[in-house]
Amino acid sequence: GQQLNQSPQSMFIQEGEDVSMNCTSSSIFNTWLWYKQDPGEGPVLLIALYKAGELTSNGRLTAQFGITRKDSFLNISASIPSDVGIYFCAGQRGSQGNLIFGKGTKLSVKP
Amino acid sequence: NAGVMQNPRHLVRRRGQEARLRCSPMKGHSHVYWYRQLPEEGLKFMVYLQKENIIDESGMPKERFSAEFPKEGPSILRIQQVVRGDSAAYFCASSPGGDYGYTFGSGTRLTVV
Repeated sequence: GQQLNQSPQSMFIQEGEDVSMNCTSSSIFNTWLWYKQDPGEGPVLLIALYKAGELTSNGRLTAQFGITRKDSFLNISASIPSDVGIYFCAGQRGSQGNLIFGKGTKLSVKP
Repeated sequence: NAGVMQNPRHLVRRRGQEARLRCSPMKGHSHVYWYRQLPEEGLKFMVYLQKENIIDESGMPKERFSAEFPKEGPSILRIQQVVRGDSAAYFCASSPGGDYGYTFGSGTRLTVV
Protein backbone atom coordinates (compact mmCIF):
# COMPACT_ATOMS: atom_id res chain seq x y z
CA GLY A 1 0.00 0.00 0.00
CA GLN A 2 0.86 3.66 -0.08
CA GLN A 3 3.78 4.62 2.16
CA LEU A 4 5.37 7.79 3.34
CA ASN A 5 9.15 7.86 3.74
CA GLN A 6 9.97 9.68 6.94
CA SER A 7 13.51 10.52 8.01
CA PRO A 8 15.48 10.38 10.10
CA GLN A 9 14.28 7.32 11.98
CA SER A 10 15.72 8.63 15.25
CA MET A 11 17.61 11.65 16.56
CA PHE A 12 19.67 12.25 19.70
CA ILE A 13 20.22 15.94 20.27
CA GLN A 14 21.35 18.33 22.97
CA GLU A 15 18.83 20.59 24.65
CA GLY A 16 18.72 23.92 22.83
CA GLU A 17 19.55 22.49 19.41
CA ASP A 18 17.27 22.80 16.40
CA VAL A 19 15.68 19.69 14.87
CA SER A 20 14.58 18.98 11.33
CA MET A 21 12.69 16.00 9.95
CA ASN A 22 10.94 15.35 6.67
CA CYS A 23 8.52 13.15 4.77
CA THR A 24 8.35 12.28 1.10
CA SER A 25 5.78 10.45 -0.95
CA SER A 26 5.49 9.10 -4.47
CA SER A 27 1.89 10.40 -4.57
CA ILE A 28 0.29 13.78 -4.19
CA PHE A 29 -1.58 14.72 -1.01
CA ASN A 30 -4.00 17.59 -0.44
CA THR A 31 -3.23 17.83 3.26
CA TRP A 32 -0.10 17.18 5.31
CA LEU A 33 -0.29 16.75 9.06
CA TRP A 34 2.34 16.43 11.76
CA TYR A 35 1.59 14.55 14.99
CA LYS A 36 3.50 13.85 18.20
CA GLN A 37 2.97 10.66 20.15
CA ASP A 38 4.05 10.16 23.75
CA PRO A 39 4.49 6.62 25.16
CA GLY A 40 1.16 4.95 25.87
CA GLU A 41 -0.86 7.73 24.28
CA GLY A 42 -2.50 8.53 20.98
CA PRO A 43 -1.06 10.99 18.45
CA VAL A 44 -1.66 14.67 19.10
CA LEU A 45 -1.95 17.04 16.14
CA LEU A 46 0.84 19.66 16.02
CA ILE A 47 0.41 21.34 12.65
CA ALA A 48 -1.93 20.94 9.67
CA LEU A 49 -0.99 22.14 6.17
CA TYR A 50 -3.61 22.58 3.46
CA LYS A 51 -1.91 24.40 0.57
CA ALA A 52 1.15 23.61 -1.53
CA GLY A 53 4.00 25.89 -0.51
CA GLU A 54 2.31 26.79 2.80
CA LEU A 55 4.63 27.52 5.72
CA THR A 56 2.97 27.36 9.13
CA SER A 57 4.31 27.93 12.64
CA ASN A 58 3.05 26.83 16.03
CA GLY A 59 5.31 28.22 18.73
CA ARG A 60 8.77 26.66 18.24
CA LEU A 61 7.45 24.38 15.50
CA THR A 62 7.49 25.25 11.81
CA ALA A 63 6.24 23.02 9.00
CA GLN A 64 6.03 23.40 5.25
CA PHE A 65 3.89 21.77 2.58
CA GLY A 66 6.13 21.11 -0.41
CA ILE A 67 5.36 22.79 -3.73
CA THR A 68 5.04 19.43 -5.49
CA ARG A 69 2.58 18.27 -2.79
CA LYS A 70 4.71 15.17 -2.35
CA ASP A 71 6.74 16.24 0.66
CA SER A 72 6.74 18.14 3.93
CA PHE A 73 9.21 19.05 6.66
CA LEU A 74 8.94 19.87 10.35
CA ASN A 75 11.45 22.00 12.24
CA ILE A 76 11.66 22.37 16.01
CA SER A 77 13.75 25.24 17.25
CA ALA A 78 15.58 25.40 20.60
CA SER A 79 14.57 21.92 21.71
CA ILE A 80 13.62 21.25 25.33
CA PRO A 81 13.34 17.94 27.24
CA SER A 82 9.55 17.77 26.83
CA ASP A 83 10.01 17.61 23.04
CA VAL A 84 10.98 13.95 23.53
CA GLY A 85 8.61 11.62 21.73
CA ILE A 86 7.82 10.17 18.33
CA TYR A 87 6.86 12.54 15.55
CA PHE A 88 4.73 11.30 12.68
CA CYS A 89 3.89 12.87 9.36
CA ALA A 90 0.58 11.95 7.75
CA GLY A 91 -0.87 12.66 4.33
CA GLN A 92 -4.51 12.94 3.41
CA ARG A 93 -6.02 13.05 -0.07
CA GLY A 94 -9.53 14.30 0.67
CA SER A 95 -10.84 16.38 3.55
CA GLN A 96 -12.56 13.44 5.22
CA GLY A 97 -10.54 10.50 4.06
CA ASN A 98 -8.13 8.29 5.87
CA LEU A 99 -4.61 9.34 6.81
CA ILE A 100 -1.46 7.63 5.61
CA PHE A 101 1.26 7.78 8.23
CA GLY A 102 5.04 7.73 8.06
CA LYS A 103 6.95 5.36 10.35
CA GLY A 104 7.93 8.14 12.73
CA THR A 105 11.00 9.99 13.95
CA LYS A 106 11.98 9.20 17.53
CA LEU A 107 13.43 12.28 19.20
CA SER A 108 15.62 12.08 22.31
CA VAL A 109 16.84 15.28 23.99
CA LYS A 110 19.81 15.34 26.36
CA PRO A 111 19.57 18.05 29.01
CA ASN B 1 -6.52 13.51 23.78
CA ALA B 2 -9.39 14.56 26.06
CA GLY B 3 -12.74 13.89 24.46
CA VAL B 4 -12.28 10.69 22.46
CA MET B 5 -12.74 7.89 24.96
CA GLN B 6 -11.49 4.42 24.28
CA ASN B 7 -11.92 1.42 26.51
CA PRO B 8 -10.51 -0.72 27.73
CA ARG B 9 -6.99 0.77 27.75
CA HIS B 10 -5.47 -2.70 27.94
CA LEU B 11 -7.04 -5.96 26.84
CA VAL B 12 -5.58 -9.45 27.11
CA ARG B 13 -7.17 -12.26 25.17
CA ARG B 14 -6.25 -15.88 24.58
CA ARG B 15 -5.95 -17.12 21.03
CA GLY B 16 -9.39 -17.91 19.64
CA GLN B 17 -11.30 -15.52 21.89
CA GLU B 18 -13.14 -12.41 20.76
CA ALA B 19 -11.95 -8.85 21.40
CA ARG B 20 -14.35 -5.91 21.52
CA LEU B 21 -12.87 -2.42 21.51
CA ARG B 22 -15.05 0.60 22.21
CA CYS B 23 -14.75 4.21 21.10
CA SER B 24 -16.90 7.15 22.14
CA PRO B 25 -16.20 10.11 19.83
CA MET B 26 -16.00 13.70 20.96
CA LYS B 27 -19.32 15.40 21.49
CA GLY B 28 -20.72 16.60 18.17
CA HIS B 29 -18.41 14.37 16.09
CA SER B 30 -20.18 12.01 13.72
CA HIS B 31 -17.14 10.64 11.88
CA VAL B 32 -15.09 7.83 13.43
CA TYR B 33 -11.87 6.23 12.19
CA TRP B 34 -10.02 3.16 13.46
CA TYR B 35 -6.26 2.69 13.09
CA ARG B 36 -3.86 -0.06 14.13
CA GLN B 37 -0.29 0.51 15.27
CA LEU B 38 2.34 -2.22 15.53
CA PRO B 39 5.45 -1.61 17.69
CA GLU B 40 7.96 0.78 16.06
CA GLU B 41 5.50 1.51 13.24
CA GLY B 42 3.19 4.31 12.16
CA LEU B 43 -0.57 4.01 12.34
CA LYS B 44 -2.34 2.05 9.60
CA PHE B 45 -5.88 2.95 8.58
CA MET B 46 -8.52 0.28 9.06
CA VAL B 47 -12.03 1.70 8.69
CA TYR B 48 -13.99 4.97 8.48
CA LEU B 49 -17.57 5.12 9.75
CA GLN B 50 -20.35 7.62 10.11
CA LYS B 51 -23.44 6.96 12.16
CA GLU B 52 -24.89 3.61 11.02
CA ASN B 53 -22.72 3.59 7.87
CA ILE B 54 -19.36 2.18 6.88
CA ILE B 55 -17.82 4.73 4.51
CA ASP B 56 -14.43 3.12 3.81
CA GLU B 57 -13.25 -0.28 5.05
CA SER B 58 -10.36 -0.66 2.64
CA GLY B 59 -7.88 -1.18 5.48
CA MET B 60 -9.83 -3.86 7.31
CA PRO B 61 -8.71 -7.48 7.06
CA LYS B 62 -11.34 -9.41 5.13
CA GLU B 63 -11.92 -11.99 7.83
CA ARG B 64 -12.50 -11.85 11.59
CA PHE B 65 -12.62 -8.03 11.80
CA SER B 66 -15.78 -5.94 11.83
CA ALA B 67 -16.74 -2.44 12.91
CA GLU B 68 -19.94 -0.61 13.63
CA PHE B 69 -21.06 2.85 14.71
CA PRO B 70 -24.70 2.59 15.77
CA LYS B 71 -27.16 5.43 16.03
CA GLU B 72 -26.82 5.33 19.80
CA GLY B 73 -23.72 4.32 21.71
CA PRO B 74 -20.04 3.96 20.96
CA SER B 75 -18.31 2.64 17.89
CA ILE B 76 -17.19 -0.97 18.29
CA LEU B 77 -14.25 -2.72 16.63
CA ARG B 78 -14.70 -6.46 16.93
CA ILE B 79 -12.03 -9.06 16.33
CA GLN B 80 -13.17 -12.65 16.32
CA GLN B 81 -10.93 -15.65 16.98
CA VAL B 82 -7.92 -13.51 17.79
CA VAL B 83 -4.43 -14.64 16.82
CA ARG B 84 -1.01 -13.50 18.12
CA GLY B 85 -0.57 -11.25 15.08
CA ASP B 86 -3.57 -9.17 16.21
CA SER B 87 -1.54 -7.89 19.17
CA ALA B 88 -1.21 -4.15 18.60
CA ALA B 89 -2.41 -0.77 19.75
CA TYR B 90 -5.77 0.17 18.23
CA PHE B 91 -6.60 3.86 18.00
CA CYS B 92 -9.89 5.53 17.33
CA ALA B 93 -10.18 9.09 16.04
CA SER B 94 -13.19 11.32 15.52
CA SER B 95 -13.95 14.47 13.56
CA PRO B 96 -16.96 16.68 12.94
CA GLY B 97 -16.48 16.26 9.19
CA GLY B 98 -15.40 18.83 6.65
CA ASP B 99 -11.93 20.33 6.66
CA TYR B 100 -11.18 19.67 10.32
CA GLY B 101 -8.47 17.47 11.70
CA TYR B 102 -8.96 14.32 13.64
CA THR B 103 -8.71 13.94 17.40
CA PHE B 104 -7.28 10.61 18.50
CA GLY B 105 -8.09 8.64 21.63
CA SER B 106 -5.45 7.12 23.88
CA GLY B 107 -5.85 3.70 22.31
CA THR B 108 -6.52 0.12 23.39
CA ARG B 109 -3.49 -2.12 23.70
CA LEU B 110 -4.51 -5.64 22.74
CA THR B 111 -2.27 -8.53 23.77
CA VAL B 112 -3.06 -12.01 22.52
CA VAL B 113 -1.50 -14.79 24.57
